[in-house]
Amino acid sequence: DTGVSQDPRHKITKRGQNVTFRCDPISEHNRLYWYRQTLGQGPEFLTYFQNEAQLEKSRLLSDRFSAERPKGSFSTLEIQRTEQGDSAMYLCASSPRTSPGNTIYFGEGSWLTVV
Amino acid sequence: GNSVTQMEGPVTLSEEAFLTINCTYTATGYPSLFWYVQYPGEGLQLLLKATKADDKGSNKGFEATYRKETTSFHLEKGSVQVSDSAVYFCALLPTGNQFYFGTGTSLTVIP
Repeated sequence: DTGVSQDPRHKITKRGQNVTFRCDPISEHNRLYWYRQTLGQGPEFLTYFQNEAQLEKSRLLSDRFSAERPKGSFSTLEIQRTEQGDSAMYLCASSPRTSPGNTIYFGEGSWLTVV
Repeated sequence: GNSVTQMEGPVTLSEEAFLTINCTYTATGYPSLFWYVQYPGEGLQLLLKATKADDKGSNKGFEATYRKETTSFHLEKGSVQVSDSAVYFCALLPTGNQFYFGTGTSLTVIP
């Protein structure tokens, strides 16, 4: 399977702990996106990268959140000092370029539960 | 601004019934429009898309037509199956880099 891969799929953590999620995009895709989805809602944009450059960040991405894509391939999303409100599914997606009609391909998501 | 409004669910239909899920949008410029589907415990999968006015996207018996005059992209299927049970998301991509999703419509098809 050469789709978008996310790890771990599920994470339960105590409030105040740090967590990190990893995303491996489709290999020829140079754009990578992070979205957050809470129960009963659609995905909300967090940030995206073109190659290793982080080009846009949502206001949802507080200073406890940091995303990196050091070599323009895989990406990590770290959440520091987790809060219960961070409980959500974190979705990674990738695309080959951005032009009208271009599709983004999602991974299966990483579920975070903060207890 | 950019936003998507979807018909609220949940929707429950009998097998072979006709499906319509309404989607309207507001956007700057000339967006592309998408329908994504999410099965339980999985990520989103592209169902169909349309890139300009009057385009019709279709896949697996589902169809949606990009109507600029009514800013709509309603999803339809003539005869649903139990396997179509999922959550359906309408999304738009304006002339930029960020997708905007609706809140999703849950569909349950009963035998």
